[in-house]
Amino acid sequence: QQQVKQSPQSLIVQKGGISIINCAYENTAFDYFPWYQQFPGKGPALLIAIRPDVSEKKEGRFTISFNKSAKQFSLHIMDSQPGDSATYFCAATPYGNKLVFGAGTILRVKS
Amino acid sequence: DTAVSQTPKYLVTQMGNDKSIKCEQNLGHDTMYWYKQDSKKFLKIMFSYNNKELIINETVPNRFSPKSPDKAHLNLHINSLELGDSAVYFCASRQGLAGTYEQYFGPGTRLTVT
Repeated sequence: QQQVKQSPQSLIVQKGGISIINCAYENTAFDYFPWYQQFPGKGPALLIAIRPDVSEKKEGRFTISFNKSAKQFSLHIMDSQPGDSATYFCAATPYGNKLVFGAGTILRVKS
Repeated sequence: DTAVSQTPKYLVTQMGNDKSIKCEQNLGHDTMYWYKQDSKKFLKIMFSYNNKELIINETVPNRFSPKSPDKAHLNLHINSLELGDSAVYFCASRQGLAGTYEQYFGPGTRLTVT
């Protein structure tokens, strides 16, 4: 049972464009929704996270939009750069313990 | 001053062997995890320890045995390795069960079973 569904599987964006990755979840007990960035050969690195009591969180060029009623959340990368090319994972957790990950999105930013 | 470190980074071994992966964190966290990333890059939790106590065991075959000698270390021992065990194994840590939810991952150990 895939509790967190992520789309698209891959994404190609022009430099300076907006990258958008979407996730949907099923478990209403989830109360923390992080996004991780993973470069080849490296471990996932926490990028930004949100709690369900806010609808949006912005950190630099990265923004999470959260829709509690639709059980959906998304990552927006503004002014995408070639250095943003990586695999992005959304995740969710109930009570902060085990992370349930989406399947990942491979982002390529073309210069 | 690596926060979460793992050894070895690469491990190549034959079916049937027994191997261990070690993890150490210097963040002062007391909750540690093992995650498995398969060939399709899907990440799934295996185990979690809090203050050396096992708190999550996600239906992992009992050939896998985690051990936490202290709060800063979490090791993973795998017996009778199978081809399907080939994956990247990540250790992660977090500050307590009642604190912040942020988990920090190590660089991974790529296990190849031939």
